[in-house]
Amino acid sequence: QKEVEQNSGPLSVPEGAIASLNCTYSDRVSQSFFWYRQYSGKSPELIMSIYSNGDKEDGRFTAQLNKASQYVSLLIRDSQPSDSATYLCAVNFGNEKLTFGTGTRLTIIP
Amino acid sequence: EAQVTQNPRYLITVTGKKLTVTCSQNMNHEYMSWYRQDPGLGLRQIYYSMNVEATDKGDVPEGYKVSRKEKRNFPLILESPSPNQTSLYFCASSYRGGNQPQHFGDGTRLSIL
Repeated sequence: QKEVEQNSGPLSVPEGAIASLNCTYSDRVSQSFFWYRQYSGKSPELIMSIYSNGDKEDGRFTAQLNKASQYVSLLIRDSQPSDSATYLCAVNFGNEKLTFGTGTRLTIIP
Repeated sequence: EAQVTQNPRYLITVTGKKLTVTCSQNMNHEYMSWYRQDPGLGLRQIYYSMNVEATDKGDVPEGYKVSRKEKRNFPLILESPSPNQTSLYFCASSYRGGNQPQHFGDGTRLSIL
């Protein structure tokens, strides 16, 4: 069974600080990695996708992928209260399915 | 506006009464998928479709059926719903496959009594 693991949190970060969210996965052949943000009662919204080792930056968000360590992370710089949400890591294990972690709940403290 | 539309948004029904949740996308996406989301279990894939008349099981397909007769529509059918299918359901689509970003509908909250 292919698995995606996330710390459920809650993770509390002061406003303006860097929030670091982590995700590990079980299979080295994984090809595609995604971070989604989900506000309470809403649908998941894509933040970042990453396909190769290294860092990918988009505004205040940086995704980091290390395939050798089977690890993908999301950094949020200059955290804002509007970043308070649950962050879902999703991995495509080289087939047509998408497997999600259970999510990390992030709270930004003003 | 590009979107995935699910209906109904909320439904309360009783055990054994067949129901269908519709999903439609206007982005000409080939890939569509259904997920259920339960507390502590996260999002789990029920079924997916690579294109018209091409569907396959996800991780939790038991008790569900799907069909893909048109590219834009991907209904989820519960022929004999049971209380353990009470959940929040999401439909999603992507341009071509499960290895691409998926766009989600607003969700359907289903309660089976």
